[in-house]
Amino acid sequence: QKEVEQNSGPLSVPEGAIASLNCTYSDRGSQSFFWYRQYSGKSPELIMFIYSNGDKEDGRFTAQLNKASQYVSLLIRDSQPSDSATYLCAVKNSNYQLIWGAGTKLIIKP
Amino acid sequence: ETGVTQTPRHLVMGMTNKKSLKCEQHLGHNAMYWYKQSAKKPLELMFVYNFKEQTENNSVPSRFSPECPNSSHLFLHLHTLQPEDSALYLCASSHSGTSDGEQFFGPGTRLTVL
Repeated sequence: QKEVEQNSGPLSVPEGAIASLNCTYSDRGSQSFFWYRQYSGKSPELIMFIYSNGDKEDGRFTAQLNKASQYVSLLIRDSQPSDSATYLCAVKNSNYQLIWGAGTKLIIKP
Repeated sequence: ETGVTQTPRHLVMGMTNKKSLKCEQHLGHNAMYWYKQSAKKPLELMFVYNFKEQTENNSVPSRFSPECPNSSHLFLHLHTLQPEDSALYLCASSHSGTSDGEQFFGPGTRLTVL
């Protein structure tokens, strides 16, 4: 079992719709959860982090964490073509190691 | 210059060559990282330096040799690489190697080993 799992996609979403990206993790003791965005040919950049169960909103982005089910998700409202990128989930596990998922490629269709 | 810089941006080398990748961070961070990114695979953490001391070496082959002369500079020395080492090599920095702080990435070096 991979430590952090993401569907590789591509996930295709019409412009203006909600994009939902999911990530599951195996270490139940994980405490910190991060979503990075990586445009093609560029390096990853942090867009959100979440530590507590529930939702955290930042503009059009909402991170959702459910520690009991060991998943974290990222919702993007009013999707724009500029949101097209690969989204990387990263989890800081109980050993303080940052473990990365392979990423989900998101395509927003105009 | 701001953020995290890496040179060169692209590198093509033969299996017998020796080359070095350079990373510099201008953010006042104490931790620096080398990652390998291959297509459709998770980021692979190679090395972590915290306050210039190496704190992680994730079973990286000895043909990769890191050097951290100070908290702002990180090198990756390459020697007798294999074609499967071709990848994007990313440098990152953060406030501390064990903190919850975000990691800031450089633009990467695209390495091709012939």
